[in-house]
Amino acid sequence: RKEVEQDPGPFNVPEGATVAFNCTYSNSASQSFFWYRQDCRKEPKLLMSVYSSGNEDGRFTAQLNRASQYISLLIRDSKLSDSATYLCVVLTGGGGNKLTFGTGTQLKVEL
Amino acid sequence: GAVVSQHPSWVICKSGTSVKIECRSLDFQATTMFWYRQFPKQSLMLMATSNEGSKATYEQGVEKDKFLINHASLTLSTLTVTSAHPEDSSFYICSARTTNYGYTFGSGTRLTVV
Repeated sequence: RKEVEQDPGPFNVPEGATVAFNCTYSNSASQSFFWYRQDCRKEPKLLMSVYSSGNEDGRFTAQLNRASQYISLLIRDSKLSDSATYLCVVLTGGGGNKLTFGTGTQLKVEL
Repeated sequence: GAVVSQHPSWVICKSGTSVKIECRSLDFQATTMFWYRQFPKQSLMLMATSNEGSKATYEQGVEKDKFLINHASLTLSTLTVTSAHPEDSSFYICSARTTNYGYTFGSGTRLTVV
């Protein structure tokens, strides 16, 4: 079983749609959780951290359920510029410094 | 702040040659640098963790004699792919943990071995 699992997509949605991505992780000792965005052939960039209380940043909302080991990302009013691969990332390791990446979910926002 | 400069952006080399990839922290000191590899449609996989002034720690299945990591200073870490073969063709990317900005990534190096 992969440490971090995501549906690879692609998700093709019209502009303005609301879309949600899910992610599950296997290591219950994981400490921190993130969503990163990766554009084609580029480095990942931090989109937002994820907290159990849920957090929102503009059109983006992230949620963590530790009991289910489940992370979600909601994008509202999607824009063409949101087209990218969204990576679910979990921080684990004895020193708390190992990032484990999901394979990513590809989003394509269309006119 | 917290920029990691990675070079080269892409490189094409012949099978059997060695390629060096550099990552420099421009405005902070990177005690630890993480090296990842990403094959098409796959996730970033941690290859090794390098610590300034000491030997790198390699993940299981990564050949330390093939992927040489040097972290001689707080601002420079290098990954050398020795005797590269076509199966080493991949996207290599470094990352450093910063105090205020979390993990920052280099821009990646796309290696193609022909």
